[in-house]
Amino acid sequence: SQKIEQNSEALNIQEGKTATLTCNYTNYSPAYLQWYRQDPGRGPVFLLLIRENEKEKRKERLKVTFDTTLKQSLFHITASQPADSATYLCALVPSSASKIIFGSGTRLSIRP
Amino acid sequence: DVKVTQSSRYLVKRTGEKVFLECVQDMDHENMFWYRQDPGLGLRLIYFSYDVKMKEKGDIPEGYSVSREKKERFSLILESASTNQTSMYLCASSGRDRGLEQYFGPGTRLTVT
Repeated sequence: SQKIEQNSEALNIQEGKTATLTCNYTNYSPAYLQWYRQDPGRGPVFLLLIRENEKEKRKERLKVTFDTTLKQSLFHITASQPADSATYLCALVPSSASKIIFGSGTRLSIRP
Repeated sequence: DVKVTQSSRYLVKRTGEKVFLECVQDMDHENMFWYRQDPGLGLRLIYFSYDVKMKEKGDIPEGYSVSREKKERFSLILESASTNQTSMYLCASSGRDRGLEQYFGPGTRLTVT
């Protein structure tokens, strides 16, 4: 069956360290993979998009990698800050479909 | 600044009532979406629309209908609300390119008693 999975357990990181979140998928051929941030009680906010033929994308302290062989995307936040605490969602756009499929998200907590 | 607005942040309705949730976007986007979000289940697509008067079923359309009479407005209708429709409802819009990011509204927390 088709699945997109994120670590359901919360991730707790010391301020200043690099936070790494994982998104795995099975039985999809993604054309794009996106990452969103969601704060409690609010809608998700788009952060980054990576295409199937790209290995890595960066934006300020954020980095996303995409390995279509492993069927995995990693999302890194370097020099993490307490303000980075939120839930992070990965979302996949299959090459054969027009809608986005979201993972259930990973809650990230950065402690001072 | 781009914006997606939803008609209510919080709504309490009784079982059997007809419920309307409205979403308006000001970005001239072609695509609009309705999701519900429940703990542990993530975002699940209810319906989406690629154009005025067009609609497509998502993964969980049962018990819902939608209307898109104008490009900027996408309405979600619960014909007869039930307690299992208590959830956070999120509207989103995006441009024509399917790889483009989705812009989300603030959400409506609906409670059906």
